[in-house]
Amino acid sequence: QKEVEQNSGPLSVPEGAIASLNCTYSDRGSQSFFWYRQYSGKSPELIMFIYSNGDKEDGRFTAQLNKASQYVSLLIRDSQPSDSATYLCAVRTPSNYQLIWGAGTKLIIKP
Amino acid sequence: DAGVIQSPRHEVTEMGQEVTLRCKPISGHDYLFWYRQTMMRGLELLIYFNNNVPIDDSGMPEDRFSAKMPNASFSTLKIQPSEPRDSAVYFCASSSKAFSYEQYFGPGTRLTVT
Repeated sequence: QKEVEQNSGPLSVPEGAIASLNCTYSDRGSQSFFWYRQYSGKSPELIMFIYSNGDKEDGRFTAQLNKASQYVSLLIRDSQPSDSATYLCAVRTPSNYQLIWGAGTKLIIKP
Repeated sequence: DAGVIQSPRHEVTEMGQEVTLRCKPISGHDYLFWYRQTMMRGLELLIYFNNNVPIDDSGMPEDRFSAKMPNASFSTLKIQPSEPRDSAVYFCASSSKAFSYEQYFGPGTRLTVT
């Protein structure tokens, strides 16, 4: 069983709409949650991290964490074609300093 | 800061040859990670170091792979002998407890073994 799961997509969203990306994890002791964006041919780039239940906003991006349901999501408001990329969810468990990675969701913003 | 630096950016080699990938982490970071990414398997952790000491190498696929970190500013990943199935993008990332363990990635080395 995968420890961090994401829908592989592609998720197609019209420009200007809200893109919603979801991630579930299996380890209830997980403490830190990260969203990375990866453009084709580039390295993963950290967008946001969240530790506490609730929402965390940064510009057009909002991360949401629900530890009881073991999911974390990323909302992108006013989606732009430049947001088209693969979004990777990563989770850090208390037992080590590694990140457990999801397979990523490919997001396509259609003009 | 210049970020994580990796070299070479591209490497094409023949099967059986030795390949050495290099990484310079962000100054002050005490964790260094080597990843491999392919379309089929996604992002895989190969090995990570803390304060230059290897902590977990369970992701290293086989004895042909080895990694070293002789000092805080340099690490190598070596494949000897290389095989076509080693073709992938290899990323190095670094992080620090002081910065909540967020990992920052280098640009990667695209390895092609023919």
